[in-house]
Formats: sequence, C-alpha cells, structure tokens
Amino acid sequence: AQTVTQSQPEMSVQEAETVTLSCTYDTSESDYYLFWYKQPPSRQMILVIRQEAYKQQNATENRFSVNFQKAAKSFSLKISDSQLGDAAMYFCAPSRDSGYALNFGKGTSLLVTP
Amino acid sequence: EPEVTQTPSHQVTQMGQEVILRCVPISNHLYFYWYRQILGQKVEFLVSFYNNEISEKSEIFDDQFSVERPDGSNFTLKIRSTKLEDSAMYFCASSDGPRGLFPSLHFGNGTRLTVT
Repeated sequence: AQTVTQSQPEMSVQEAETVTLSCTYDTSESDYYLFWYKQPPSRQMILVIRQEAYKQQNATENRFSVNFQKAAKSFSLKISDSQLGDAAMYFCAPSRDSGYALNFGKGTSLLVTP
Repeated sequence: EPEVTQTPSHQVTQMGQEVILRCVPISNHLYFYWYRQILGQKVEFLVSFYNNEISEKSEIFDDQFSVERPDGSNFTLKIRSTKLEDSAMYFCASSDGPRGLFPSLHFGNGTRLTVT
C-alpha cells in the first residue's frame, strides 16, 4: 500500500465503552498485510493487531478487533471495554507494495475519559 | 522478551554536523528498518536492510543518509550533514524471516534528534 488515510485525527471514548478507528488505503497488490500500532506518550511503537489480506476472518486480539473490508480497502480497529491505558496515538500500517516495510497513516489520537 | 534498543535516546547536534544513530536489533532478526517521525506528523519509512544491503528506500533517503551493519549486532543510520528539517524522532525496527508469513516489525524506543 502506498497511501494510507486515517480520517479521524482525534477520537474520544468513555471508559468501558467501545470505539472504532477508521483506516483506508490504496494498493495494487492482492496479497498484503495490515497492522495497527499504538504509540503512547512514551512514543514507543507497540503492535496491537495484524491481519493477513488473504484471510476473510477478521483478526481479534483480546479487546481489540478489526473490520477488514478488502474490496473497499478498509481496515478499521475496534476497541471494546476501553481502558484509560488505551489512550494513545493509533497508526494504521499496511505493508508497502514491495519488501517487508510498512507505510503508516497520520494517526488517530484516542482520548479515554473516566 | 527480546527488544530493539536504540542509543542515544536524545541527541542534539549543530546544523551541518554528521550524526550516527545506533540500534541493536533483536538478535535472530534478519530485516532491519529505519523510520522517522517529525513531531506531530506521521511515521515515515526511510530504508530497509537485508543481507548486508539496502533492500528498499524511500525518496526521503537521499545521499545524505547511509546505513550500515558494522558487526553482527549493531545497525546504524548516518546523516552526513544535518539540516534543521532532519529534527525528528528516528525509530529503528527489526523483523525475522517471513517463514510463510509477513513478519511483524518490532520497534525500538526511538532517538530524538534535535538539529540546532
């Protein structure tokens, strides 16, 4: 993927509620991979979840799940039962069209309120 | 759990000076990457490195940049003559071989480069 769009610069969610972060991308590949990374204030990049494009089943990792729509080139992240520690910048990162590197979107800043 | 380590955490340099950012990838990983993040902006791909050579680079990675794996453990990014716009957080990442699956990237904590 060469273009990644995260249309929500900021999102807010109350503790214990559910929030969905959106991501769309552009690619000419049929086989690729998609990732969500979390960047807390410490600025460390932490892998949240990954999805293989050839799999129809949406990936799930505890409270985190994705809605992958291949035809629409959409890859949204759902966070259930939000916790204060989920507050961070979230980056959508599909694989580049060559090699094993990733492209990143501009990120969505998630605020979790008590 | 093994981790990618980067040194220093913060480096200040004067415009025009050479700077070397250092990274120790996870020991059994084969692919190495540098990314940068200008404050408040997205994370941008710079270069990937495999089998002792550059496998891919972005348009940002011009002749001012170079990478090297001088020994079996370190992976360095050199900026020959720094500019003010090189001020950013630089992230090193590594991944293991594909083994049939696209490898996940593991990132270091970053080096904040400030060019004055």
